[in-house]
Amino acid sequence: DTEVTQTPKHLVMGMTNKKSLKCEQHMGHRAMYWYKQKAKKPPELMFVYSYEKLSINESVPSRFSPECPNSSLLNLHLHALQPEDSALYLCASSHRLAGEWGNEQFFGPGTRLTVL
Amino acid sequence: GDSVTQMEGPVTLSEEAFLTINCTYTATGYPSLFWYVQYPGEGLQLLLKATKADDKGSNKGFEATYRKETTSFHLEKGSVQVSDSAVYFCALTTNTDKLIFGTGTRLQVFP
Repeated sequence: DTEVTQTPKHLVMGMTNKKSLKCEQHMGHRAMYWYKQKAKKPPELMFVYSYEKLSINESVPSRFSPECPNSSLLNLHLHALQPEDSALYLCASSHRLAGEWGNEQFFGPGTRLTVL
Repeated sequence: GDSVTQMEGPVTLSEEAFLTINCTYTATGYPSLFWYVQYPGEGLQLLLKATKADDKGSNKGFEATYRKETTSFHLEKGSVQVSDSAVYFCALTTNTDKLIFGTGTRLQVFP
């Protein structure tokens, strides 16, 4: 299995809703990532989990809450979002040995989020 | 800080034309370099990579060579197809978990 899966594919939510995005990989990768991508822009890094521990938070607002329940799963919990948070949310994973960097990241298809 | 610069798009070509998309980088240390492709409505797919100077990455007819002396990683393809129409991102990573992307170059191929 060489893919990253994301659910749901599309999500529409109101500003008072709570929802979650899910990401899964079975490649044995120990680094997982959340990105946000606006139209016609490159992906922007939000969070990195390395060995199930949060290693990077790129000053993301607290209305986005990541969770890594195990080495294969990554969630992004959403609460009280704003319309400007509408975007494509991408998950990625990479092979990550301790003290080693430089490996490619494998991306999922993304969740298209619309906040009304 | 580390950065990637890509040529502005869109690049518009006829089918079977030769493609070059320029990419230059600034990095401390020795980065790994990547090209990713994003088709409309989809996530990013790794197209090719190179991890050290003079390495040539290749896949699906696309090639790019890691040129340390010119800090470049230009993407080339000898004969493009309509199905190659997509956005192409050049990216690098160094001694962190961060992937630094260029702004992306949209390629449009017409029959």
